[in-house]
Amino acid sequence: GENVEQHPSTLSVQEGDSAVIKCTYSDSASNYFPWYKQELGKRPQLIIDIRSNVGEKKDQRIAVTLNKTAKHFSLHITETQPEDSAVYFCAASIEGNNDMRFGAGTRLTVKP
Amino acid sequence: DVKVTQSSRYLVKRTGEKVFLECVQDMDHENMFWYRQDPGLGLRLIYFSYDVKMKEKGDIPEGYSVSREKKERFSLILESASTNQTSMYLCASSPRTVNEKLFFGSGTQLSVL
Repeated sequence: GENVEQHPSTLSVQEGDSAVIKCTYSDSASNYFPWYKQELGKRPQLIIDIRSNVGEKKDQRIAVTLNKTAKHFSLHITETQPEDSAVYFCAASIEGNNDMRFGAGTRLTVKP
Repeated sequence: DVKVTQSSRYLVKRTGEKVFLECVQDMDHENMFWYRQDPGLGLRLIYFSYDVKMKEKGDIPEGYSVSREKKERFSLILESASTNQTSMYLCASSPRTVNEKLFFGSGTQLSVL
């Protein structure tokens, strides 16, 4: 089955700096790659996703890039703010398979 | 707004007890999932269901079973709870295809003593 690896496990940045979280996946058939944000004590919520037919997607300060050849995708957060502090999970799924596999998570801390 | 409701926020059980975790969603979603969340291990899929009475094993099904008698309800069952099943359990649902947004419940923190 699919295996998703995520790095780093913890990331600390200064407010205003950029943050990058990277994930790799094992199954070349995977074609949907979402990112979830989980604030302390709250449920994970989708922040952005990308499908395999595009290489990059942006939403304000957040962007995701996908390299299908290398089987890796990344989350980029620019101009970080303290409210970006959370645990971020990447995930991958294969169309037609009704399941989704998550990475181990990255705890991002943005220092004021 | 989609609502996924887990019956308990915190649960304390004893080793050997049979434990039921309940999850209900109100958006007529076909797919429902149970994940376990542990520090450093992320979200690991226990079981999922894509239709009433249908179930599929995830990555860590051992020690667990599930039941989906109605479309809106997906139950996780620990037949004989053990201390290594102490964890945060998250239920989620999604529409017909999994390549859509997952909606999560608030989670149940289970402690097995």
